[in-house]
Amino acid sequence: AQSVSQHNHHVILSEAASLELGCNYSYGGTVNLFWYVQYPGQHLQLLLKYFSGDPLVKGIKGFEAEFIKSKFSFNLRKPSVQWSDTAEYFCAVNARGFGNEKLTFGTGTRLTIIP
Amino acid sequence: DAMVIQNPRYQVTQFGKPVTLSCSQTLNHNVMYWYQQKSSQAPKLLFHYYDKDFNNEADTPDNFQSRRPNTSFCFLDIRSPGLGDAAMYLCATSRGGISYEQYFGPGTRLTVT
Repeated sequence: AQSVSQHNHHVILSEAASLELGCNYSYGGTVNLFWYVQYPGQHLQLLLKYFSGDPLVKGIKGFEAEFIKSKFSFNLRKPSVQWSDTAEYFCAVNARGFGNEKLTFGTGTRLTIIP
Repeated sequence: DAMVIQNPRYQVTQFGKPVTLSCSQTLNHNVMYWYQQKSSQAPKLLFHYYDKDFNNEADTPDNFQSRRPNTSFCFLDIRSPGLGDAAMYLCATSRGGISYEQYFGPGTRLTVT
């Protein structure tokens, strides 16, 4: 079965700092990869996704992520964070051809942006 | 707006007293999911319906049941809630097939007293 690791549990940054949140997965086959965000008091929302093609994907609100197959990684980046980016970020993986419709989530990274 | 709706947003029940959480969707999606999320943990899939086909996760306790009477609605029944069942319960939907993106509702926070 697949698994997802997010090593940063809580990240604190000042506004305008650059952000990189780590995500590694374990699964030997083809995967679809996602980053979801949960703003305080709100529901989980899709930030970006990778299915195939260009390994650098761009999402909403200036976020991007790069799929590096050799490293089993899908790290989330943003060049300059804002106070409104304070939220919980979840990486998720879906293993193609095996329970296609199921996602496995990482434990999440809480991001706090200091004004 | 098309969306995933969960009612109630907050539910308090007593130890051992059955409780039902509801989810509805206006997206006309084939798949509906129930997740349990405890504080500072990843959402944990309990089960999902692909149309009328029910798929239970191997480690979901028997205490948790689900019903999907039609495309739009899905219910989570907890037959005898224990203190350890206090959590946020998330409903999600997806089109299924090759579209794997899931759309989440706001969740129901369950408290067991």
